[in-house]
Amino acid sequence: GAVVSQHPSRVICKSGTSVKIECRSLDFQATTMFWYRQFPKQSLMLMATSNEGSKATYEQGVEKDKFLINHASLTLSTLTVTSAHPEDSSFYICSALTSGGGELFFGEGSRLTVL
Amino acid sequence: AQSVTQPDIHITVSEGASLELRCNYSYGATPYLFWYVQSPGQGLQLLLKYFSGDTLVQGIKGFEAEFKRSQSSFNLRKPSVHWSDAAEYFCAVGAIGTGGFKTIFGAGTRLFVKA
Repeated sequence: GAVVSQHPSRVICKSGTSVKIECRSLDFQATTMFWYRQFPKQSLMLMATSNEGSKATYEQGVEKDKFLINHASLTLSTLTVTSAHPEDSSFYICSALTSGGGELFFGEGSRLTVL
Repeated sequence: AQSVTQPDIHITVSEGASLELRCNYSYGATPYLFWYVQSPGQGLQLLLKYFSGDTLVQGIKGFEAEFKRSQSSFNLRKPSVHWSDAAEYFCAVGAIGTGGFKTIFGAGTRLFVKA
């Protein structure tokens, strides 16, 4: 099946720094990618929808200036957590939608720890 | 608004016993329905999906789910559980909104398997 890769899988950073997480669709083109946040033992919360070549659509309550999303190509979307704080520590997961909206594939997730 | 309810936070079954995980959804039209499995610290793997057609859907790893429109349900079943099935299971509904396609997840059901 299709593969979506996230990098890095784990990152630890100091408070106040920015962290970039990449999401790549390895064997298909994805015009739409999604970013989720998952707190321990909880479900996935959709943060934003990323469309190639256009601005991301953020869910209510998600700070667009804090969580910068760029979908520069049909195979890559990036999430940048700016000026990270300990409360931003979480598991971030991306997913990519195949063309025609046929299927959604998920990355392995990236665990961010902000000290 | 679309929503997904998984009534059981956790379920424990004996290895070899049958399993049913409940899922109810709220959506105005015919939904796209999914079941995903997540192992600790990892991304999501698609078990099966329903878009249209036969309401009994076969998935990977011996799982199946049945779409019942009258009950707004999409319960996941497996006739004989293996210890390796212990994981978190998420039911999800795919919906088309003003921002395009998005997937809404239930809170998840954690499956424990006892020997």
